[in-house]
Amino acid sequence: DAMVIQNPRYQVTQFGKPVTLSCSQTLNHNVMYWYQQKSSQAPKLLFHYYDKDFNNEADTPDNFQSRRPNTSFCFLDIRSPGLGDAAMYLCATRGDSDYNEQFFGPGTRLTVL
Amino acid sequence: AQKVTQAQTEISVVEKEDVTLDCVYETRDTTYYLFWYKQPPSGELVFLIRRNSFDEQNEISGRYSWNFQKSTSSFNFTITASQVVDSAVYFCALIWSGGSNYKLTFGKGTLLTVNP
Repeated sequence: DAMVIQNPRYQVTQFGKPVTLSCSQTLNHNVMYWYQQKSSQAPKLLFHYYDKDFNNEADTPDNFQSRRPNTSFCFLDIRSPGLGDAAMYLCATRGDSDYNEQFFGPGTRLTVL
Repeated sequence: AQKVTQAQTEISVVEKEDVTLDCVYETRDTTYYLFWYKQPPSGELVFLIRRNSFDEQNEISGRYSWNFQKSTSSFNFTITASQVVDSAVYFCALIWSGGSNYKLTFGKGTLLTVNP
């Protein structure tokens, strides 16, 4: 089945230690998104790629970076995680039409010690 | 500005009861799309439905039904004969053509608990 895959599902890191979360998709969608979701809140968009064009949200901290080496893969790098970065990180993809639904991966739950 | 309001933070029902989740939206645009997503405890957001602003037909899919009323800017979701597996957080969301990058604007979600 075509899908959005996120690895790892659970990630523990130490305060200030860089961490990378990965997302892959078999849907061949040209748009990929990264969201941060804290407990009992709606997902918050961090950034997205339209093909290779990177779009950062204005309020996304500089501590968060992203890479998309090809259509299938997208990475979220947190350069110096703080306790406030502990959250669920969701990757999503979308097809060509701007109004298409987004398909979400299972998420990576990040714990910062 | 666009906004989605889900006034019900939490709802608790007993299995087999019908339950309606409310969603009210605000947008100045005439072209927009509304969505419902389900987020079970496992965390993945599951797409349920998309409805465009020009199609006010109600939709039924099994035990799920959606009522879209532009006059009241509402897009409510009803689960008939609820089951324990329906327990999840449900998000209503909006995309409008006037926004940058066609972002999803989510409501805050409604936590539905279906008790056996």
